[in-house]
Amino acid sequence: AQTVTQSQPEMSVQEAETVTLSCTYDTSENNYYLFWYKQPPSRQMILVIRQEAYKQQNATENRFSVNFQKAAKSFSLKISDSQLGDTAMYFCAFMKHDSGTYKYIFGTGTRLKVLA
Amino acid sequence: DTGVSQDPRHKITKRGQNVTFRCDPISEHNRLYWYRQTLGQGPEFLTYFQNEAQLEKSRLLSDRFSAERPKGSFSTLEIQRTEQGDSAMYLCASSSRGSLTYNEQFFGPGTRLTVL
Repeated sequence: AQTVTQSQPEMSVQEAETVTLSCTYDTSENNYYLFWYKQPPSRQMILVIRQEAYKQQNATENRFSVNFQKAAKSFSLKISDSQLGDTAMYFCAFMKHDSGTYKYIFGTGTRLKVLA
Repeated sequence: DTGVSQDPRHKITKRGQNVTFRCDPISEHNRLYWYRQTLGQGPEFLTYFQNEAQLEKSRLLSDRFSAERPKGSFSTLEIQRTEQGDSAMYLCASSSRGSLTYNEQFFGPGTRLTVL
């Protein structure tokens, strides 16, 4: 069974600085997707960035980028130029590529606080 | 239709009562998921619908839980004889097949259940 581990329960970063959130996963699959979702306080979860396992190039979305190390089963999220609005819970999620269900398996989350 | 909606947003009930939650997915999405999120944890998969067919149920979904998606549109999640351990946030998500974002799930705001 797949598992997702986020080893940093809480992190803080100064506004405009860079922070990296870690995520590791365990799977025997070769084709899968990885995601980072953001859950602001009392608001719904939204997608930050996704990575297809068959792609070697790391995904980037504006200030957000990932460091995907497939052999190490690591998928970290880097937030550059942190903004106060980045304060949220961040969840790493795994999905098998050819699963009939396409369900997500989530980590326990990292609470990020951006300090003014 | 701007997103996934869930009703009610909050529900307080007494132990032993039945509760029902509703989820309205994004209209063109044929896939619908229910997750449960307890404090300090990531969402855990409960069940999945493709159109009106319920294709997978988690072991977390005891016999007291039932979900339906008549006509492949909205979905309901019913919990019978609620227990205090059922207290959690119940999240609904939907996704669409055949688009560039087919593996991205869009989440609703959740229904927070408190069982007294």
